[in-house]
Amino acid sequence: AQSVAQPEDQVNVAEGNPLTVKCTYSVSGNPYLFWYVQYPNRGLQFLLKYITGDNLVKGSYGFEAEFNKSQTSFHLKKPSALVSDSALYFCAVRDPSSASKIIFGSGTRLSIRP
Amino acid sequence: DAGVIQSPRHEVTEMGQEVTLRCKPISGHDYLFWYRQTMMRGLELLIYFNNNVPIDDSGMPEDRFSAKMPNASFSTLKIQPSEPRDSAVYFCASAHGMQPQHFGDGTRLSIL
Repeated sequence: AQSVAQPEDQVNVAEGNPLTVKCTYSVSGNPYLFWYVQYPNRGLQFLLKYITGDNLVKGSYGFEAEFNKSQTSFHLKKPSALVSDSALYFCAVRDPSSASKIIFGSGTRLSIRP
Repeated sequence: DAGVIQSPRHEVTEMGQEVTLRCKPISGHDYLFWYRQTMMRGLELLIYFNNNVPIDDSGMPEDRFSAKMPNASFSTLKIQPSEPRDSAVYFCASAHGMQPQHFGDGTRLSIL
């Protein structure tokens, strides 16, 4: 069965420092991976996706994610964190039983201190 | 593009009452999803539709929950009778084929 794991409930980073939010996946076949962000009192917003091609995927708000097949990881990264990046981040993987159904991780709360 | 529209944004009602949540997906999207988010259980998929047809309702907690999609521009999620443990934020999302899902801003439901 497809699944993703986000090992950290919370990540704390100082503004201006690089940030990494971790995600590992388990899939049968080719992975189709996503990152979403959720700001307070809002729905989830799509950040980026990996289908095939370059292992480094660039997305919205300066975020990028690195796909690593050997480590089955898809970590979210940003070179310089902003206080406004503070939010809940979800990693997700497409369920092969459906073109559109995706399976979400448990979420990681990112807190950027000024 | 108005995005996915959910109503109401907040609902407070007493135990035993019927609750109806509404969703208008993005025009042209052929998939519609209902999720529930709680602190304890995280984000759960309740049911999803493809071209207005329910495809997978295995996430619906029990018979008190029902969802319909009478046409491509409207869906409802009903809880009857409601219970305090149903308190959560309910999200609707829509998508076109394999494109990323777009979420509404949710309905925060409190059952007293």
